Order: sequence, then structure tokens, then C-alpha cells
Amino acid sequence: KAGVTQTPRYLIKTRGQQVTLSCSPISGHRSVSWYQQTPGQGLQFLFEYFSETQRNKGNFPGRFSGRQFSNSRSEMNVSTLELGDSALYLCASSLEGKSGEQYFGPGTRLTVT
Amino acid sequence: EDKVVQSPLSLVVHEGDTVTLNCSYEVTNFRSLLWYKQEKKAPTFLFMLTSSGIEKKSGRLSSILDKKELFSILNITATQTGDSAIYLCAFYGQNFVFGPGTRLSVLP
Repeated sequence: KAGVTQTPRYLIKTRGQQVTLSCSPISGHRSVSWYQQTPGQGLQFLFEYFSETQRNKGNFPGRFSGRQFSNSRSEMNVSTLELGDSALYLCASSLEGKSGEQYFGPGTRLTVT
Repeated sequence: EDKVVQSPLSLVVHEGDTVTLNCSYEVTNFRSLLWYKQEKKAPTFLFMLTSSGIEKKSGRLSSILDKKELFSILNITATQTGDSAIYLCAFYGQNFVFGPGTRLSVLP
């Protein structure tokens, strides 16, 4: 079974721009969660989608948004980028998101200059 | 506010040593506690624990949860250089909350 895939793997943007990241979950997994990982803050939960609905949301500003499609693929969007948004963005999928057993993709490394 | 604390934050051992990594949590709506291993890439799933006192084992790694005292430990026996990584503990309740991780370095 193919693992979680994320595109692009690396991205450089300038302040004020917006960015869209994509995540394809493991086949059959319906829950997709997004995380931001930085050296200072560690892994922080952004949001979780299940069956095209946002089920949970972390403490991030409204500039961070996401969506999930009917095939369970998910996208995350960050608008009006700030330098502090530079991070590794990880996507994780699980069967139904009830047990917590989730599998991570390789991440997208976003650099904001 | 939900919180996960890991100790030690950093650990250096030699091959063959046994290590114990600690994770304590203050959370509401507990569903499960998870351990992940992160090398130079995304975290990989190790264990999920939901019941107290039941040890999960995979090769040289094992983990146990104490829901009364709100902590979990991850043991690695006969460590190898390939065990060098950051070990993350995470709580799953309303959301996922990750601890800061323990950076383990195993020297040859």
C-alpha cells in the first residue's frame, strides 16, 4: 500500500503571498490531519478533516485553512504568509481518526523570505 | 490546557545500553497515547496505548501506560546506532497534542 504523499516537498515564498499544500492519504483512510513543526514549538496540530468536514481545529489564526475532497485528498492553504510560517508542514492519515493511530507523510518544507 | 511533558529532553548512550523514555500528560477526554520515532523525516508510528498496565512490544521496544498516574514509558533494550532519533509522545483526546520529544543519540 502506498504511504501518505505530500506535494510539493519544498517551497519558497515571500511574505504576503499565499500557498496551497496538498496531501493524499493512504488508500482507504478517511481522516487527514495537518501539523506544523518548527524547532521552537515542536509539532502543533492545525486541523483534522473527516469525510470532507473539518472535525477539529488547533489554535492557529484564520490565515490557515484547509479542505478535504470526496476522495479524501486534502489541501491546506496559508494566506498572507509571515516569516514565522516557515516550517515543516506534515499531513497524517488514519482510517477514521477515532483511535489516534495515524501515519505521516514526508512533509512540505515551507520557507518564507 | 492539555499538556504532554517528556523527559529527558536529550539522552546520549552507548550501543547495548537500555534506555527508558518518560512521558507524562495532563489532558481531558483521553482516548489514546501514542509513541512515534522521528529521524530526518516524518514521524513513524511505534505504539498506541489505550489501556493501563498492558505492555506493547515490538522487538527491542516496549511501552506501557499508567492511566491512574498519567504517564507512559518507552523502553529500548540493547540500543543500536539506528535507534538514534527523536522519540515523540502524543496524546489523542479532543485533538492531538505532542510532547517536545526526547532526542536519543546512540554512540557506537
